[in-house]
Amino acid sequence: SQQGEEDPQALSIQEGENATMNCSYKTSINNLQWYRQNSGRGLVHLILIRSNEREKHSGRLRVTLDTSKKSSSLLITASRAADTASYFCATDRYGNKLVFGAGTILRVKS
Amino acid sequence: KAGVTQTPRYLIKTRGQQVTLSCSPISGHRSVSWYQQTPGQGLQFLFEYFSETQRNKGNFPGRFSGRQFSNSRSEMNVSTLELGDSALYLCASRFDVAGGAEQFFGPGTRLTVL
Repeated sequence: SQQGEEDPQALSIQEGENATMNCSYKTSINNLQWYRQNSGRGLVHLILIRSNEREKHSGRLRVTLDTSKKSSSLLITASRAADTASYFCATDRYGNKLVFGAGTILRVKS
Repeated sequence: KAGVTQTPRYLIKTRGQQVTLSCSPISGHRSVSWYQQTPGQGLQFLFEYFSETQRNKGNFPGRFSGRQFSNSRSEMNVSTLELGDSALYLCASRFDVAGGAEQFFGPGTRLTVL
C-alpha cells in the first residue's frame, strides 16, 4: 500500500516557470526521497532528505521536509521541457525499503 | 560505473506460466530490491536481498519469490502467472548504509500476461 498522497496529481506549466509538488505521508520516517520517471521507464533518483534535515538543494531542485506535519515539497525552478515526467516521493522508514506515493505528472510546455 | 541492468526488457507470457527476471546491480552494491509498478496500485515493494539473504518482504503472495547470488546479481520468479501480474518490474540497488541511501533503478522489465 502507498504511504501517502502527492498533490497535485497533474501539473501543466510553461517553460521557465517554477513547479511545486507536495507529498504527505503517514508514519515516522528515516528519510524521504524524490524520484523522476520518464514514460514508464526506470526511476531516476533526484534527492534524499533525512528526517533531521529541513531543506536541501540540488541544482534547480529544492526539497523541504516538515516531520511535524509529515509532509514534503519538491520545487523545480526555471523548468524546462526536459523536466516533463512523473515525480514520486518515497519514504524510507527503517533504512531498507521505499514506500512510494502515487506521483505527480508534470508537463512543461515549450 | 555501469548502471543497474535488467533482462529481459519485455516479456509476454500466458496465464499459468512462470517467469524469471534478472537484475545485475551496480558494482559494489550488495542490496538489491524489487518493485512492481502497475497503473492501479502504483509502485509497490516486493522484496530486498542483501548478501544472498532476503532481508525484507512486501505484501505479495508466495507466487513471487527471489534470490540473490554471491556476485549480488538477483533474480525474481513469478509462478502460476495471473492477468494481474502484468506490470513493470523494477530492480534497484544501493550501497548499504545505516539510515538508508538512494536507490539506483534499472530500466525495468515489462511483463504482459495474456
